[in-house]
Amino acid sequence: QKEVEQNSGPLSVPEGAIASLNCTYSDRGSQSFFWYRQYSGKSPELIMFIYSNGDKEDGRFTAQLNKASQYVSLLIRDSQPSDSATYLCAVTNNAGGTSYGKLTFGQGTILTVHP
Amino acid sequence: GAVVSQHPSRVICKSGTSVKIECRSLDFQATTMFWYRQFPKQSLMLMATSNEGSKATYEQGVEKDKFLINHASLTLSTLTVTSAHPEDSSFYICSARFASTGELFFGEGSRLTVL
Repeated sequence: QKEVEQNSGPLSVPEGAIASLNCTYSDRGSQSFFWYRQYSGKSPELIMFIYSNGDKEDGRFTAQLNKASQYVSLLIRDSQPSDSATYLCAVTNNAGGTSYGKLTFGQGTILTVHP
Repeated sequence: GAVVSQHPSRVICKSGTSVKIECRSLDFQATTMFWYRQFPKQSLMLMATSNEGSKATYEQGVEKDKFLINHASLTLSTLTVTSAHPEDSSFYICSARFASTGELFFGEGSRLTVL
């Protein structure tokens, strides 16, 4: 069983719609969770992180964490074609969210936003 | 945000040769850097954790004699792929940890092609 699992997609949504990306993890000791965006041929860039159960909003992005269900998601509102990329979920056992340690990545979900 | 530079961005080499990839934190000191490898359409896999002034810690299955890591200063870590073979062709990405916040910053990645 993979430690961090994501639906590889591709996920296709029309411009302006909400894109929902999901991630499950197997290690109950995981403390902090990150969403990265990776354009083809480029390195990942951090979108946001979350470490407390519930929702965390940042602009058009909302991360949701449910530690009991070992589930973290990312919602992208008002999706734009420029959001088309691979979205990587990553987890770490380091607590606090800002104490980034060794990250374990999921395989990524390809998102395509079509005009 | 902080800048991490990788060099070279692309390298093509013949089988059996060695290739060195540099990872520099340009505007901050990084006591810890991480090296990842990413094969096409796959996620980032952590290879090793590089700590300044000490030996790198390798993940299970990563040959330390093949992938030599040196972290001689607070702003530079190098990865040397020794006796490279075609199966070593991959996208190698480093990340550096900003000591005061723990945040990770990724380099631009280095694409290695071994003929």
